[in-house]
Amino acid sequence: AQSVTQPDIHITVSEGASLELRCNYSYGATPYLFWYVQSPGQGLQLLLKYFSGDTLVQGIKGFEAEFKRSQSSFNLRKPSVHWSDAAEYFCAVEGKNSGYALNFGKGTSLLVTP
Amino acid sequence: EPEVTQTPSHQVTQMGQEVILRCVPISNHLYFYWYRQILGQKVEFLVSFYNNEISEKSEIFDDQFSVERPDGSNFTLKIRSTKLEDSAMYFCASSVGAGYTFGSGTRLTVV
Repeated sequence: AQSVTQPDIHITVSEGASLELRCNYSYGATPYLFWYVQSPGQGLQLLLKYFSGDTLVQGIKGFEAEFKRSQSSFNLRKPSVHWSDAAEYFCAVEGKNSGYALNFGKGTSLLVTP
Repeated sequence: EPEVTQTPSHQVTQMGQEVILRCVPISNHLYFYWYRQILGQKVEFLVSFYNNEISEKSEIFDDQFSVERPDGSNFTLKIRSTKLEDSAMYFCASSVGAGYTFGSGTRLTVV
């Protein structure tokens, strides 16, 4: 069955520290991959996406993600976290033949400490 | 930057009542979607809509749900007889193809 796994429910990092949020997927073929961020009470904002080509993709707000086919992973990274990055982060996967429906992971809640 | 607009932002309704959630997708987009997020849970796909018909729907999207594009700009989700478990944030999204833009959501509370 197709699935998206975000192993970490909560992550706490200090402001200025680096961040990596994990995402693994199980799909028959390489799907389209996305990371969204959701601040409390807000909608979903697209951080970045991977369709094909260069496996390291740059997004907004200083985020990047690396697609690793061998590990079926698409981990999100940021070199230096800011307090405003505290939010819920969702990895999402779109099967290329699924009519563009997104399958979301359960999310990782990021807390940033001073 | 173009936005997907959803109204209302909050709606409270009594169990058994019908509700209509409204969305204005981005004007040149061709695909339209509804997702929901029950509090504390992940975002779940409900339905996609293309060329004036449903292109895909999840098992959540049962007979009490319907979608419509009544004119060239609006896209609505109707829940015929609301249940307590329909309480959730409902997100509309639109796209040209793969990868899309979400609205800010409508928080529906069924009491």
